[in-house]
Amino acid sequence: GENVEQHPSTLSVQEGDSAVIKCTYSDSASNYFPWYKQELGKRPQLIIDIRSNVGEKKDQRIAVTLNKTAKHFSLHITETQPEDSAVYFCAASRGGATNKLIFGTGTLLAVQP
Amino acid sequence: KAGVTQTPRYLIKTRGQQVTLSCSPISGHRSVSWYQQTPGQGLQFLFEYFSETQRNKGNFPGRFSGRQFSNSRSEMNVSTLELGDSALYLCASSLERLAIYEQFFGPGTRLTVL
Repeated sequence: GENVEQHPSTLSVQEGDSAVIKCTYSDSASNYFPWYKQELGKRPQLIIDIRSNVGEKKDQRIAVTLNKTAKHFSLHITETQPEDSAVYFCAASRGGATNKLIFGTGTLLAVQP
Repeated sequence: KAGVTQTPRYLIKTRGQQVTLSCSPISGHRSVSWYQQTPGQGLQFLFEYFSETQRNKGNFPGRFSGRQFSNSRSEMNVSTLELGDSALYLCASSLERLAIYEQFFGPGTRLTVL
C-alpha cells in the first residue's frame, strides 16, 4: 500500500549546524513531494516541494533532493536558527491525478541556541 | 487573499453525538481535502472533494462523511462519535485537481470527545 517512512523522529542540532531529514516512499507512481513545517499549535505550512522530473531544488537555506530510483527524498536545512524548531512532515502524492497526500510520521527538530 | 478558514476552532462532544466541521478554501480554489491529525497516527487522509464530488476517500469508517458545495466550501461530518475520534481535523485547499498545485492548510478544528 501507500506508505511514507520518515527519519529521524527527533533531531537536535546546535544553532548554525545543518539538519537533514530523510523520507522513503512506496508508491512508484508518486510524482510530487512537498515538505511542511508545523509549529506548536499552528497549521502545517508548505516550505518547499519537488516534482519527480527534478532532482534537487533549493530555496535560500532549505533544499530538497529526490532519488526516484531509490524512492528517497530528503530535506536539508543549513545554518539552522532557533526559529527553525518545529515538526517537519514529508509527503508524497500522485500529483495531477489526485491531491491526496501521504504523510510521513514527522520529525521534531530542536535547534539549540 | 484570505487563507483557508475552518470553523469551529474547538469543539467538545460526548460519545455517541455527531459533529459537523466546516472549511472555506482560498478564494478561487476548487479542491478541498480533509486530514485527521493525532499524536499516534500522524496526518491521515480522509477525503478529497472537487467540483462538489468526492474524488478520493481514505481508510476511515463510514461514520466519517463529507460534502462540497457549489462555492467550494466543504463540510465533514462524524456520526456516533467515539473517544478515538478526538483529533485535530485539518482541511487543505488547492487550485485544481488534475495538475500539481500547492495545498494550503487551514488552522484546523480541535475535536475532543468525552
